[in-house]
Amino acid sequence: KAGVTQTPRYLIKTRGQQVTLSCSPISGHRSVSWYQQTPGQGLQFLFEYFSETQRNKGNFPGRFSGRQFSNSRSEMNVSTLELGDSALYLCASSLHGTSSLYEQYFGPGTRLTVT
Amino acid sequence: SQKIEQNSEALNIQEGKTATLTCNYTNYSPAYLQWYRQDPGRGPVFLLLIRENEKEKRKERLKVTFDTTLKQSLFHITASQPADSATYLCALQGDQKVTFGTGTKLQVIP
Repeated sequence: KAGVTQTPRYLIKTRGQQVTLSCSPISGHRSVSWYQQTPGQGLQFLFEYFSETQRNKGNFPGRFSGRQFSNSRSEMNVSTLELGDSALYLCASSLHGTSSLYEQYFGPGTRLTVT
Repeated sequence: SQKIEQNSEALNIQEGKTATLTCNYTNYSPAYLQWYRQDPGRGPVFLLLIRENEKEKRKERLKVTFDTTLKQSLFHITASQPADSATYLCALQGDQKVTFGTGTKLQVIP
């Protein structure tokens, strides 16, 4: 089975711009979660999508949004980028999601640099 | 507020010894606790999951304990090898969300 894929792997953007990141989960997995990882804050939960519905959301501003398509692929969008948004963005897929016993499979991440 | 602490940012250990990593939490009642390994530039990889009613779980050279009274999990790697060098993250799952600790960077010295 193919693993979780994320595109692009690296991205450089300017303050004020917007960005869209993509994640393809493992085939058959219906839950996709997004995380932001920075050296200072560690891995922080952004949101989880399950069967095209946002099921849970972390403490991030409204500039961070996402969606999930019927094939379980997910996109994350960040508008009006700030320098502090520079981070590794990780997507993780799981079979059932956070409401039940599960393990997450992470993608390689997208390294976003905001200048 | 909920807080997860992993005992130290870095841990150096001699090859062949047992590495013990600690994960403490407060203001949280997790249903499950997970441990992940992360190598530089890569996403975390799932290692072990333990439920709140389980005391101990083993997988090959790995052992996890979960003490809900102490609000602590211990992660042991026996007969450690240089290939075990990585950052290890604990994650608590409960109330439909997963919260990660900041990780402990383990260095196994040959």
